[in-house]
Amino acid sequence: EAGVVQSPRYKIIEKKQPVAFWCNPISGHNTLYWYRQNLGQGPELLIRYENEEAVDDSQLPKDRFSAERLKGVDSTLKIQPAELGDSAVYLCASSSQTGSTEAFFGQGTRLTVV
Amino acid sequence: DQQVKQNSPSLSVQEGRISILNCDYTNSMFDYFLWYKKYPAEGPTFLISISSIKDKNEDGRFTVFLNKSAKHLSLHIVPSQPGDSAVYFCADLTSGSRLTFGEGTQLTVNP
Repeated sequence: EAGVVQSPRYKIIEKKQPVAFWCNPISGHNTLYWYRQNLGQGPELLIRYENEEAVDDSQLPKDRFSAERLKGVDSTLKIQPAELGDSAVYLCASSSQTGSTEAFFGQGTRLTVV
Repeated sequence: DQQVKQNSPSLSVQEGRISILNCDYTNSMFDYFLWYKKYPAEGPTFLISISSIKDKNEDGRFTVFLNKSAKHLSLHIVPSQPGDSAVYFCADLTSGSRLTFGEGTQLTVNP
């Protein structure tokens, strides 16, 4: 069974440019998460989807970040415009149901803003 | 809000010995604590969990202990193997499915 797939693996952009990340969760997983991990820190939740509905986006910086999960499967996370402080690893995860004790993570996208 | 703290950024042990990774939390209202392991350039992978109603959970070489009075949990790995070298995160899972991670501890197991 394929795991959570993210692309691209690495992205380098200049500040003020837009960037987008893509995630394909494990087949059948209704819950999808986007996390951001800064260097030396643990992952921090940005947004959680149940199917196509964003049920927890309280930590998403909505002035520049947006996300969507069309048809309740794949998801994209966008930053526009990017700032230097957005440099981090962006992780997508999925789980089979709300409250599941195990979330499966993708390999992440390492974003560098210069 | 729950805060999860891992106060030791790194730990080094000899192969075959016990590794003990520690985690403190602030909010007594939680459903589960989980441990994740992360290798470089990979996403975190689930290792073991413990529910709020238990004080111990064991899975092979990995045992997690929960001390609710001290608001402390620990992960014991015995015997430690070089392949266990990774960053270990403890995470709290509360109702609503939000995982709150600690800062992580880099474990190095020396051959």
